Amino acid sequence: EVQLVETGGGLIQPGGSLRLSCAPSGFTVSGNYMNWVRQAPGKGLEWVSGLYSGGRTYYADSVKGRFTISRDISKNTLYLQLNSVRAEDTAVYYCARGRDEAAYSFFDYWGQGTLVIVSS
Amino acid sequence: DIQMTQSPSSLSVSVGDRVIITCRASQSISRYLNWYQQKPGKAPKVLIYASSTLQSGVPSRFSGSGSGTDFTLTISSLQPEDFATYYCQQSYSTLPTFGGGTKVEIK
Repeated sequence: EVQLVETGGGLIQPGGSLRLSCAPSGFTVSGNYMNWVRQAPGKGLEWVSGLYSGGRTYYADSVKGRFTISRDISKNTLYLQLNSVRAEDTAVYYCARGRDEAAYSFFDYWGQGTLVIVSS
Repeated sequence: DIQMTQSPSSLSVSVGDRVIITCRASQSISRYLNWYQQKPGKAPKVLIYASSTLQSGVPSRFSGSGSGTDFTLTISSLQPEDFATYYCQQSYSTLPTFGGGTKVEIK
């Protein structure tokens, strides 16, 4: 059964750093297009970052230069390093797999999410 | 970035009603449009991809249409389990973007 488990969320002060992890079962992070999507409390979904199987990375303008997506193939784990966090980064962070069907991409599997709260 | 605008932002409906949600892209995205359903406290679930292709396991009362900039999600006969928030998402760009969401509530 395919499952994604995110960990690493918590309370962090503005300007601080945190690393989120996503460990999938049933597939490899290296062979798939992996993403982070976040949702601020009571708000909509916001795509944050993506990492293609070939290694190319992409970021939303709101986090570019502050967040870094990466993977550890030996641990089959996806990461999101959050630096210089701001109050507006407070959200539930979801890990999601991107799937391609005839060149159309969508997010087919999602984790349960991990909550990041930025507050002093 | 491609902006996605959904309407309405919320609607109150009854079981058995036909529901239509629209999504407009700020530029043409061909058929690179997906729809998700999200229930409170849960992760989103994909319903439709490529504008009109039903994801495996999704009931046939859900359907999608559109191309270019204008898209619709239709629920032919709303069931109790369909009360949720629905999001569109474009996958045309390497920077995916979501619509603001449509909350479907019980009348």
